[in-house]
Amino acid sequence: EVQLVESGGGLVQPGGSLRLSCAASGFTLSTNWMSWVRQAPGKGLDWVANIKQDGSDKYYVGSVKGRFTISRDNARNSLYLQMNSLRAEDTAIYYCARERLGSDTFDLWGQGTMVIVSS
Amino acid sequence: DIVLTQSPATLSLSPGERATLSCRASQSIASYLAWYQQKPGQAPRLLIYDASNRATGIPARFSGSGSGTDFTLTISSLEPEDFAVYYCQQRKTFGQGTRLEIK
Repeated sequence: EVQLVESGGGLVQPGGSLRLSCAASGFTLSTNWMSWVRQAPGKGLDWVANIKQDGSDKYYVGSVKGRFTISRDNARNSLYLQMNSLRAEDTAIYYCARERLGSDTFDLWGQGTMVIVSS
Repeated sequence: DIVLTQSPATLSLSPGERATLSCRASQSIASYLAWYQQKPGQAPRLLIYDASNRATGIPARFSGSGSGTDFTLTISSLEPEDFAVYYCQQRKTFGQGTRLEIK
């Protein structure tokens, strides 16, 4: 089955760190750009970061630049998001998403992992 | 940065009716627009890409149209499982969503 499965979410204090993982199965992760998209409770979708197939290019939304790092291990078919200096406004469900070949469309999503930043 | 504005915010219709959802871009985006459906507690699901192409497994009652700045998602005859939130998206930008609720 083609799927993405996120893990690593949880409750963390402001200023803390968390590392999210996304395991791909049923397809070869190295074929696609991959993204993280988040959704704050009761709100809409916000793109966070993406990474090229070989990891050579990475892009971030302004609010997370310098705090979050996206990475991938194609040999392990896995995507990661290292989140440092977390803030309350980072509280959200974090989805990993596969970018459709040749476009910025997200054609496969994981089920999401919840991150709560609170003291 | 491009802004995507969806309307209406909420649409109340009955099963069997036709739904028309709108997405307007702040500048021309050619046909580079996608639509997603999200049900409560679930991840978004791709419905339409490149403005008018149905994704794999999406029923024919879903159709997309438009180019430039004005786009439409049409559901020809609503099924009970279609009541959800719908988002448009272009590159790294999402619209704010339209909630389709049962009347």
